[in-house]
Amino acid sequence: EVQLVESGGGLVQPGRSLRLSCAASGFSFDDYAMHWVRQAPGKGLEWVSGISWNSGSIGYADSVKGRFTISRDNAKNSLYLQMNSLGPEDTALYYCAKGGMTTVTPFDYWGQGTLVTVSS
Amino acid sequence: DIQMTQSPSSVSPSVGDTVTITCRASRNITSWLAWYQQKPGEAPKLLIFPASSLQSGVPSRFSGSGSGTDFTLTIGSLQPEDFATYYCQQLHGFPPLTFGGGTKVQIK
Repeated sequence: EVQLVESGGGLVQPGRSLRLSCAASGFSFDDYAMHWVRQAPGKGLEWVSGISWNSGSIGYADSVKGRFTISRDNAKNSLYLQMNSLGPEDTALYYCAKGGMTTVTPFDYWGQGTLVTVSS
Repeated sequence: DIQMTQSPSSVSPSVGDTVTITCRASRNITSWLAWYQQKPGEAPKLLIFPASSLQSGVPSRFSGSGSGTDFTLTIGSLQPEDFATYYCQQLHGFPPLTFGGGTKVQIK
């Protein structure tokens, strides 16, 4: 059974940093692209960042480019999102999602999300 | 970047009705479009990809059509469990993999 479990969310002050993690199991993690998607309270889905199986292809939404860094450790079956210079606009539920063999394939499994709240 | 525009933003049908949701891309994305369903408090679920291919286990009352810039998600004979928010997503250009704004299907 595919499982994606996010962690690392919480309350953080504006300007500070946070690192999210996603622990994957139930599939060959190093074969698949992975993504982060966020959803602000009461709002729609926003793709944040994606990474190919070998980290050779990485992309970011304009809203987080230069502040967020996606990475993965295939040996640990884990995906990460380093978030710097956080602002109130980054408050959201952050989902980890499994893609396909390339970065342009849809997300067939999602975690339950980890909540990030940016507030003083 | 490719922009995705969904309409309507909300709709209030009755059980048994047919619902049609449209999604328009700002440029040609061929058939590289996915549809997701999200129920309150749950993660999204992949329904259709590419534009007209139903994922395994998705009821046949769901169907997708379109190519290029204009796409449609149709739910025939709406069931109580279909009341949810639906999102389209383009997968033609990376990055970003843009979502539409969502369509909330709520009970009349």
